[in-house]
Amino acid sequence: AQSVTQLGSHVSVSEGALVLLRCNYSSSVPPYLFWYVQYPNQGLQLLLKYTTGATLVKGINGFEAEFKKSETSFHLTKPSAHMSDAAEYFCAVRRGGNKLVFGAGTILRVKS
Amino acid sequence: KAGVTQTPRYLIKTRGQQVTLSCSPISGHRSVSWYQQTPGQGLQFLFEYFSETQRNKGNFPGRFSGRQFSNSRSEMNVSTLELGDSALYLCASSLDGGGGNSPLHFGNGTRLTVT
Repeated sequence: AQSVTQLGSHVSVSEGALVLLRCNYSSSVPPYLFWYVQYPNQGLQLLLKYTTGATLVKGINGFEAEFKKSETSFHLTKPSAHMSDAAEYFCAVRRGGNKLVFGAGTILRVKS
Repeated sequence: KAGVTQTPRYLIKTRGQQVTLSCSPISGHRSVSWYQQTPGQGLQFLFEYFSETQRNKGNFPGRFSGRQFSNSRSEMNVSTLELGDSALYLCASSLDGGGGNSPLHFGNGTRLTVT
């Protein structure tokens, strides 16, 4: 079965600091992996996706993630946090058709 | 291009009633999926429709049902509402059936409150 674990339900960083949100997956086959962001009272917005090919994936708003098969990880990073990055972030793995299995989410707080 | 549209945005219902939520996918998208989001259980998959056929179903009771129309618009219905059905219901559409690289695009959801 495929599942996703996000380490840290809350992460706090200072504005301008590195953002690192952790995601580990379990999958018996090469996974399709996604990061989504959710702002209050809104739906999910796709940040980036990994399907095949290059293991370093660049997304929107300066975010990127690296697929590491040996570590079964897909951590999300951004070099410099901005106040507007404060939101909840979800890692997800595609499991059959268009069914996504989501992690529990990480709330990112950005301090000024 | 318009995004995924969900109506209504907010609903308040009483226990025992039924409710119908609507989702209009992005133009040209043939797959529509539904998810339930609650603070306790997080994001959980309800079901997926592709070309009017249900392809996948999550672990929800039979009170939760859905359908997809020929124009790809989808509805989900919850009968005999329970307090625990209070949640944000998210609809997502995708261009293909999941075998390709098309991601899911989500709507802003319908917030259902059951009293």
